[in-house]
Amino acid sequence: EAQVTQNPRYLITVTGKKLTVTCSQNMNHEYMSWYRQDPGLGLRQIYYSMNVEVTDKGDVPEGYKVSRKEKRNFPLILESPSPNQTSLYFCASSYRGGNYEQYFGPGTRLTVT
Amino acid sequence: AQTVTQSQPEMSVQEAETVTLSCTYDTSESDYYLFWYKQPPSRQMILVIRQEAYKQQNATENRFSVNFQKAAKSFSLKISDSQLGDAAMYFCAYESGKLVFGAGTILRVKS
Repeated sequence: EAQVTQNPRYLITVTGKKLTVTCSQNMNHEYMSWYRQDPGLGLRQIYYSMNVEVTDKGDVPEGYKVSRKEKRNFPLILESPSPNQTSLYFCASSYRGGNYEQYFGPGTRLTVT
Repeated sequence: AQTVTQSQPEMSVQEAETVTLSCTYDTSESDYYLFWYKQPPSRQMILVIRQEAYKQQNATENRFSVNFQKAAKSFSLKISDSQLGDAAMYFCAYESGKLVFGAGTILRVKS
């Protein structure tokens, strides 16, 4: 089954404790991206990747890191999480950037206390 | 920067009736794409319908159709014969190299 998976689905952590949210897709998509969803703001792009070893900042990259060492994986790293990073996070992938439909993962609910 | 505005935070519709969700966007681009995504309580993002800006014909997918007014930069979603399963958050999104979302509209369906 074609899908985007994220882990964990739920995470509660404390300020400053490094964490990684994994994202994997099995569709051989070139384009992958991370979004955060906050009430009243919709989804905002954090980082995106056009292909392996190619990443770029989205609209809200501060406090986040990503890597794209393999085509299928695109982990999101929070080196020192803060309470303002409490949010719902989505990973998405598409064949390429542009008109191609983006497939979203199931979301990760992160709470930073 | 491109922006997407959904002016209706919440909407309600009676089952079997029709509802229209509004969306406007701001861009200086001439070539772009517009989307409506549905997010049910499961939080999964589901693509409902897509419109290419260069196409004058409005997109239709079963009970879902759009009214695309390029000059007015308007992209509304019409849901006909509303069903209980249509209850969800609906996001309008614009894409021209990057996907930009509106704030969303919560749609409630009354039985």
